[in-house]
Amino acid sequence: AQSVTQPDIHITVSEGASLELRCNYSYGATPYLFWYVQSPGQGLQLLLKYFSGDTLVQGIKGFEAEFKRSQSSFNLRKPSVHWSDAAEYFCAVSSTSGTYKYIFGTGTRLKVLA
Amino acid sequence: DSGVTQTPKHLITATGQRVTLRCSPRSGDLSVYWYQQSLDQGLQFLIQYYNGEERAKGNILERFSAQQFPDLHSELNLSSLELGDSALYFCASSERGFQETQYFGPGTRLLVL
Repeated sequence: AQSVTQPDIHITVSEGASLELRCNYSYGATPYLFWYVQSPGQGLQLLLKYFSGDTLVQGIKGFEAEFKRSQSSFNLRKPSVHWSDAAEYFCAVSSTSGTYKYIFGTGTRLKVLA
Repeated sequence: DSGVTQTPKHLITATGQRVTLRCSPRSGDLSVYWYQQSLDQGLQFLIQYYNGEERAKGNILERFSAQQFPDLHSELNLSSLELGDSALYFCASSERGFQETQYFGPGTRLLVL
């Protein structure tokens, strides 16, 4: 069955430190891949997406993600975290053809220490 | 501000009742998507409409239905409500299909008592 796993429910980092949020997926073929951020009381905002091509994807707010087909992973990274990055982050996959599926991971809540 | 509006922001109702959630997409967007976010189920895709027609279905219960009107706004109807339907319901829109960036509204928080 298709699934998305975000193994870290909570992550705490100090401001200025680097960040990596993990995402692993199980899918029959290479899906479309997304990372969203949700601030408290807000809707979701797309950070970046991967459809094809260069496996290192640049997004908004200084985030990037790397697609690794061999590891079925799409990890999100940021070299230097800001206090305003504290939020919940969701990885998602969608089908690329046929029956539409859009599956979210369970999310990783990021806390940033001043 | 994503440009997607949802009303109402909050809704409190009783079990067995029926409610309607409304979504206005960004100007020019033809696709509307509905999602449910709950503590139990996490974030789930419910349904997509494109230019008035149902395009894709996710984990939408039979008690729930949606439609998209000629002016492209959409409504999600939830009936025979149960306690477990308490959740945050998001609407999103995109220009055409799901391959594009979806812009999310602020959500409607539904509490079923």
